[in-house]
Amino acid sequence: GAVVSQHPSRVICKSGTSVKIECRSLDFQATTMFWYRQFPKQSLMLMATSNEGSKATYEQGVEKDKFLINHASLTLSTLTVTSAHPEDSSFYICSASLDTQYFGPGTRLTVL
Amino acid sequence: GQQLNQSPQSMFIQEGEDVSMNCTSSSIFNTWLWYKQDPGEGPVLLIALYKAGELTSNGRLTAQFGTTRKDSFLNISASIPSDVGIYFCAGSRNDYKLSFGAGTTVTVRA
Repeated sequence: GAVVSQHPSRVICKSGTSVKIECRSLDFQATTMFWYRQFPKQSLMLMATSNEGSKATYEQGVEKDKFLINHASLTLSTLTVTSAHPEDSSFYICSASLDTQYFGPGTRLTVL
Repeated sequence: GQQLNQSPQSMFIQEGEDVSMNCTSSSIFNTWLWYKQDPGEGPVLLIALYKAGELTSNGRLTAQFGTTRKDSFLNISASIPSDVGIYFCAGSRNDYKLSFGAGTTVTVRA
């Protein structure tokens, strides 16, 4: 149990375009999901907390207009990277909260 | 979130060895978690600890929640090649946000 999926697993896009990443809890409902970013050889850094039916809470330094989060149902949260630039290239990982946090497999974003 | 102090940063293991890693914090956590991450994958939960002093095992893995609630350790007994990867400790308080350690990279010694 407690399986979390992400789609796509990897995406390459041109600078200036927007990219949407989906996070789904497959076998449980999650009122709260989290979005992390991980750079090579570094730890996970929390970007935002996604709450079903309400606005996301962003960590300090994370631009809410650039990283749009929507948590429209108890099993789906989406992260949209708007007007992506090469510095946004990273590994984005979501987690869904049950008794603790269970992580998705991650999405590798490369912005050319 | 606040970074935890995780050590060692890296270690080389020989098959059959016992290995240990730990995390410390300057502040108290209510929950300690240990995750393993393979390259290109998301972290996988290994052990969750909810009470100070709790000692929990999961197969060859054993972890303890320190009595001060400011530290935790993870032991791997009789290591095998598939134990290689990056191990992260994480702590949370009442808001369910996780603070992560920097990770311990485990590599097999040639």
